[in-house]
Amino acid sequence: GNSVTQMEGPVTLSEEAFLTINCTYTATGYPSLFWYVQYPGEGLQLLLKATKADDKGSNKGFEATYRKETTSFHLEKGSVQVSDSAVYFCALSDPGNQFYFGTGTSLTVIP
Amino acid sequence: KAGVTQTPRYLIKTRGQQVTLSCSPISGHRSVSWYQQTPGQGLQFLFEYFSETQRNKGNFPGRFSGRQFSNSRSEMNVSTLELGDSALYLCASSLQASGANVLTFGAGSRLTVL
Repeated sequence: GNSVTQMEGPVTLSEEAFLTINCTYTATGYPSLFWYVQYPGEGLQLLLKATKADDKGSNKGFEATYRKETTSFHLEKGSVQVSDSAVYFCALSDPGNQFYFGTGTSLTVIP
Repeated sequence: KAGVTQTPRYLIKTRGQQVTLSCSPISGHRSVSWYQQTPGQGLQFLFEYFSETQRNKGNFPGRFSGRQFSNSRSEMNVSTLELGDSALYLCASSLQASGANVLTFGAGSRLTVL
């Protein structure tokens, strides 16, 4: 079946540090991959997506590349800010629009 | 363009009661999905509706039900509430029912069961 495994948190970084949150997936066929972010008291917001192998999704300085050979979609940012503190979810969708979410990784950025 | 609207945002119920939550999707979106989010279990899929028909269903007991109206608005109902039903219930809408769709989430309805 389909599933997403992401790095356990919480993650605490100093401002301007480099961020990596690992995400691997198991899927039949060719899923689309997503990163969503959830700020306190809010719903999830789409951060970036990639729909086929080798695609790179990017937004607000965050990037992730769809790696079919390693079934991974790791999230990276070169220099985090305090405002990036949130919970990050990796997700995949299958051709039938069924979404599968990881457990979420909490990020805290300290000044 | 208005986002996904969920009502109520917060509610408190007691065990054994029932609750109905409402979700208005983005205009033009025909698919509505519901998720339960708890600290221990993370984000769990409840069900998805498209054109008033339930297309997918997660692994939840029959106390959890939903429906979708002709204007794509959706409701979910939980009967005979249990303490473990305390959670943030998130609704998400998307434009199509298949393909590389993006889910757009509402802010959620936070249910506390006492």
